[in-house]
Amino acid sequence: EVQLEESGGGLVQAGASLRVSCTASGFSFSSHGMNWVRQAPGKGLEWVSYISSGSGTIEYADSVKGRFTISRDNAKNSLYLQMNSLRLEDTAVYYCARDHAGCCSTTSLDFWGQGILVTVSS
Amino acid sequence: QSVLTQPPSASGTPGQRVTISCSGSSSNIGSNYVHWYQQFPGTAPKVLIYRNNQRPSGVPDRFSGSKSGTSASLAISGLRSEDEADYYCAAWDDSLSGYVFGTGTKVTAL
Repeated sequence: EVQLEESGGGLVQAGASLRVSCTASGFSFSSHGMNWVRQAPGKGLEWVSYISSGSGTIEYADSVKGRFTISRDNAKNSLYLQMNSLRLEDTAVYYCARDHAGCCSTTSLDFWGQGILVTVSS
Repeated sequence: QSVLTQPPSASGTPGQRVTISCSGSSSNIGSNYVHWYQQFPGTAPKVLIYRNNQRPSGVPDRFSGSKSGTSASLAISGLRSEDEADYYCAAWDDSLSGYVFGTGTKVTAL
């Protein structure tokens, strides 16, 4: 059974940093691209970042470019999102989501974690 | 601000056919696959349709997707009360080098 579990969320002050993680199981993690998608309270879905199976391709939404860094450790079946210079508008539930393909851009997101809440306060 | 436009709401009586539109541009829907996601309150989204019109295993065949030019649509044939949820279209955007979601449509069974 495919499982994705996020961790590391919480309450931080504006300007601070936070790293969220996603641990995968039940599939060949190194064969799939991975994504972070977020959803602000009461709002729609917003794609944040993509990393290909071998980390050769990385993309970011303009709203987080230069502040967030996506990475993965295939030996540990783990995906990470390092978030720096956090802003109030980064408050959201962050989902990790498996890409159907291994490369080279986001296709269909066929499995999702349960999400982790990141709250940025002033 | 999403580049894919959906109606904010859609509704129908049980058994009716409901259609949700998704309007984009040549850089996203016009040149890439469209995918549809279903989300119930407080839960993670789930892929409903991928590659324009493909249903993952387990998705009822009353859900169908289509694409024409720079627009796509999701149809629910024979609406059921358990289909009440939010629905999002999505596609890769070559100009943005990013994945874009639609604005979302809330479906209600009257």
